[in-house]
Amino acid sequence: RKEVEQDPGPFNVPEGATVAFNCTYSNSASQSFFWYRQDCRKEPKLLMSVYSSGNEDGRFTAQLNRASQYISLLIRDSKLSDSATYLCVVILFSGGYNKLIFGAGTRLAVHP
Amino acid sequence: GAVVSQHPSWVICKSGTSVKIECRSLDFQATTMFWYRQFPKQSLMLMATSNEGSKATYEQGVEKDKFLINHASLTLSTLTVTSAHPEDSSFYICSARPGDRAKNIQYFGAGTRLSVL
Repeated sequence: RKEVEQDPGPFNVPEGATVAFNCTYSNSASQSFFWYRQDCRKEPKLLMSVYSSGNEDGRFTAQLNRASQYISLLIRDSKLSDSATYLCVVILFSGGYNKLIFGAGTRLAVHP
Repeated sequence: GAVVSQHPSWVICKSGTSVKIECRSLDFQATTMFWYRQFPKQSLMLMATSNEGSKATYEQGVEKDKFLINHASLTLSTLTVTSAHPEDSSFYICSARPGDRAKNIQYFGAGTRLSVL
């Protein structure tokens, strides 16, 4: 079983739509959680951190459910510029380091 | 924000040659740098963790003699793919973690796309 699992998509949505991505992680010792965004052939960029209390940044809302080992990302009022791959990332302390474990990503395509 | 420079951004080489990729933290000192590899439509996979002045720690399944890592200073780490073969073609990305900031933050380089013919 993969450490971090995501629905690969693609999610094809019109501008203005609300879209939700889900992610599950297998290691209950995971410490921190993030959503990254990766554009085609580019490096991943931090989108937002994820907390049990929820985290909202403009049109983006992230939520963590530790009991279910489940992370979500909600995007409201989708823009064309939101088209990208969204990576779910957890941090594990292993081998003396905090390591980022990436999901394979969920592709979002926003169309006019 | 913190800037990590990775060079080259794209390299094409013949099978059997060695390729060196540089990762530099431009405005902060990085005690720890990480090297990842990403195959098409797959997740970033951590290859190794490198600390300035010490040997890199490789993840299981990564050949340390094939992927040589040198972290000679607090702002530079290099990854050398020795005797590259077509199956080594991939997107290699480095990241750097500032020693004096939140330990979970990593800043990524723009990546190097390696194509081995």
